[in-house]
Amino acid sequence: GENVEQHPSTLSVQEGDSAVIKCTYSDSASNYFPWYKQELGKRPQLIIDIRSNVGEKKDQRIAVTLNKTAKHFSLHITETQPEDSAVYFCAAPYTGTASKLTFGTGTRLQVTL
Amino acid sequence: DTAVSQTPKYLVTQMGNDKSIKCEQNLGHDTMYWYKQDSKKFLKIMFSYNNKELIINETVPNRFSPKSPDKAHLNLHINSLELGDSAVYFCASSLRGLNEKLFFGSGTQLSVL
Repeated sequence: GENVEQHPSTLSVQEGDSAVIKCTYSDSASNYFPWYKQELGKRPQLIIDIRSNVGEKKDQRIAVTLNKTAKHFSLHITETQPEDSAVYFCAAPYTGTASKLTFGTGTRLQVTL
Repeated sequence: DTAVSQTPKYLVTQMGNDKSIKCEQNLGHDTMYWYKQDSKKFLKIMFSYNNKELIINETVPNRFSPKSPDKAHLNLHINSLELGDSAVYFCASSLRGLNEKLFFGSGTQLSVL
């Protein structure tokens, strides 16, 4: 199948706390897992991605972990700031008849002061 | 310079009309896409072209017809617009194909009255 499940759908954290968003994919052949951030009224933009040959990747306050056996990957944001407030999408490629990138349903993150 | 540009940004029209959205990328990418984002923020692929050749054609009504005159352009024409077509349509491109960063246009908000 080509499903990518994403949880939670909404997440509210206080400034300075950590936020974790989780995704599960179904295609065991998937080998690329990007995360996109979409601010209100803006376009989605890639913030971090990971390939299946590594288990974790970090870029300043954001990190992504991958568990290929369990077919899930997570986005971790530490020391959250108000500007982190946005909708976050995970994605995974579906390598079926027509290969395509399937997006999760999105997580609306609200960082409160 | 805008990497992926699409026009118009807003489109308000009556049911039954025909409209087009244009997209251009100046990144030299081989692959271009149309995504639809509905009111719940779900991002769903509609079409993908690689070097002017149709690669992905999701279950989209045949009222939607993409056209790629060259690999830098991918336009979307919609016939007989319906209320359910109201959404934000994003054009995107990637260097070669599947497992790569997507560069999104700024989106076209289509409202069908």
